[in-house]
Amino acid sequence: AVQLVESGGGLVQPKESLKISCAASGFTFSNAAMYWVRQAPGKGLEWVARIRTKPNNYATYYADSVKGRFTISRDDSKSMVYLQMDNLKTEDTAMYYCTAAITTVMDAWGQGASVTVSS
Amino acid sequence: DVVMTQTPVSLPVSLGGQASISCRSSQSLVHSNGNTYLHWYLQKPGQSPQLLIYRVSNRFSGVPDRFSGSGSGTDFTLKISRVEPEDLGDYYCLQSTHFPYTFGAGTKLELK
Repeated sequence: AVQLVESGGGLVQPKESLKISCAASGFTFSNAAMYWVRQAPGKGLEWVARIRTKPNNYATYYADSVKGRFTISRDDSKSMVYLQMDNLKTEDTAMYYCTAAITTVMDAWGQGASVTVSS
Repeated sequence: DVVMTQTPVSLPVSLGGQASISCRSSQSLVHSNGNTYLHWYLQKPGQSPQLLIYRVSNRFSGVPDRFSGSGSGTDFTLKISRVEPEDLGDYYCLQSTHFPYTFGAGTKLELK
């Protein structure tokens, strides 16, 4: 069965950094574009980042709200995707979901990693 | 950025009844390759979102035929017939034609 399991969430102070991870299984990871989507408490969904596959040069794309601060990366040998978050702001507080495009856009989702930015 | 306007915000329904959710985009979602990348998700209480409909009208694997999507250009609709208890939750439309990808603000389907 397809599984996406996020880890690494937690409480950090503003301007600090945090790296969250997502372990994938149950599908051919190297063939799937991967995404991060976040949801602030009580709010809707916000697309954060996308990373394409090796044939597409691992091209990356970011929401304007995180561009220059967040970096998405992947390790196909480990079936892992990461989100490095630098210079965190209180408005980055959210549940961060790892999602995969296995057969079509964002068709598999993890359970989420909670990130709280507060002093 | 493409703004996705989703209505209504809240939709009270009766079990066995029908529901209709609208999603309008601020610009055409027709990609240069001719495809329209408009999708629908359901987030049940306490759960992660799940894909229901992709590219306007295609039901994802395992999604009941009570769910149907339609529309074109900038105007799209999700319809749910014979609403069941497991259909309750927050519905979101997503456009992935243009970067950045953008979601609608959501529609809460709840019991009347």
